[in-house]
Amino acid sequence: DQQVKQNSPSLSVQEGRISILNCDYTNSMFDYFLWYKKYPAEGPTFLISISSIKDKNEDGRFTVFLNKSAKHLSLHIVPSQPGDSAVYFCAASAGNFNKFYFGSGTKLNVKP
Amino acid sequence: DTGVSQDPRHKITKRGQNVTFRCDPISEHNRLYWYRQTLGQGPEFLTYFQNEAQLEKSRLLSDRFSAERPKGSFSTLEIQRTEQGDSAMYLCASSSRSGANVLTFGAGSRLTVL
Repeated sequence: DQQVKQNSPSLSVQEGRISILNCDYTNSMFDYFLWYKKYPAEGPTFLISISSIKDKNEDGRFTVFLNKSAKHLSLHIVPSQPGDSAVYFCAASAGNFNKFYFGSGTKLNVKP
Repeated sequence: DTGVSQDPRHKITKRGQNVTFRCDPISEHNRLYWYRQTLGQGPEFLTYFQNEAQLEKSRLLSDRFSAERPKGSFSTLEIQRTEQGDSAMYLCASSSRSGANVLTFGAGSRLTVL
């Protein structure tokens, strides 16, 4: 039962443009959401997070938006850079952080 | 601090053999997680330790899988009688008491079962 879904396996954008990665979830108990970035042969690295009490969190070029009524979150990268090319996973947790659920990932390719 | 360390990075074994993976978390992290990732999928939760106590365990963890964290520091994940379906990347992650909301992952141990 996939509780966190990333329906776009891949995304290609031009350098300097905006990248928008989307994530949907089904469990209304989720109250904390994260985005991870993964390069080949490395483990996922934390990028940005958001608590359910907020609808937006910004960190430099990265902004995460949360729409609780739609059970949807998105990651915006502006401007996109070739070094951003990686697989991006969204993840969610409920309450005590004993368990995190991950989506299947979106492979972002930023073209120079 | 060298981050989360996993060993071995790659293990090739024959079906039916037992394998063991080791994870050394960041030293001050009391929380430790094991995840499994197969091709084209995201990490799937296997188990969670808080200090030495195993507090969560996924249904994915069949009776052939066992994990330990005997002194609340490093952890081992053992797979007995491996099957080809066990081929995957096994990821370990840790987090601290104050930063429980963010996992730091190791590079993973890739298992190939022939």
